[in-house]
Amino acid sequence: DAGITQSPRYKITETGRQVTLMCHQTWSHSYMFWYRQDLGHGLRLIYYSAAADITDKGEVPDGYVVSRSKTENFPLTLESATRSQTSVYFCASSLAGGRVDTQYFGPGTRLTVL
Amino acid sequence: EDQVTQSPEALRLQEGESSSLNCSYTVSGLRGLFWYRQDPGKGPEFLFTLYSAGEEKEKERLKATLTKKESFLHITAPKPEDSATYLCAVRKTGANNLFFGTGTRLTVIP
Repeated sequence: DAGITQSPRYKITETGRQVTLMCHQTWSHSYMFWYRQDLGHGLRLIYYSAAADITDKGEVPDGYVVSRSKTENFPLTLESATRSQTSVYFCASSLAGGRVDTQYFGPGTRLTVL
Repeated sequence: EDQVTQSPEALRLQEGESSSLNCSYTVSGLRGLFWYRQDPGKGPEFLFTLYSAGEEKEKERLKATLTKKESFLHITAPKPEDSATYLCAVRKTGANNLFFGTGTRLTVIP
């Protein structure tokens, strides 16, 4: 049972480059989420998706793009990376609605923008 | 404004020394309060969900409780392997995401 995986685990890039972070889950969960974690802040939501082809903005969406063509994948793209996007990124997933709404997190991607 | 505040920021305990972590929250309509454990370099690991005031959940040395304004994570006779950052998060009614506090970093000394 692979659960939820993220790739790459570590990434160094330069300002202005496009970067895509991958997230894959094997539970067939409807909901998927992208968070970023920075010192002094709690995890903050970037985007989420309720199902394939349905996405919505979170608290800090600027500079990020998401897509979800398949239920199991939810890639996050930084179209033109900036130093302020240096962070640890976590993907999460959960079943749809109701009380069964526990979010399960992936191992994270540590992104450094030089 | 919605807020989740965790205290203390850091806590050092001797092995076997019981204590509590606090999570106070201000949200308009609580749907659930979640506790996660996060080890260095890893993603948050789910511990508990609490839905209503008065509810309690236990797992090994951990016990989570909930009131209308705060939640406590009680750690009884902690062991060094309990060292981690403990995160509290809330889900508002009508929202799909979790709103996190900044965590309490717990260190248990042998």
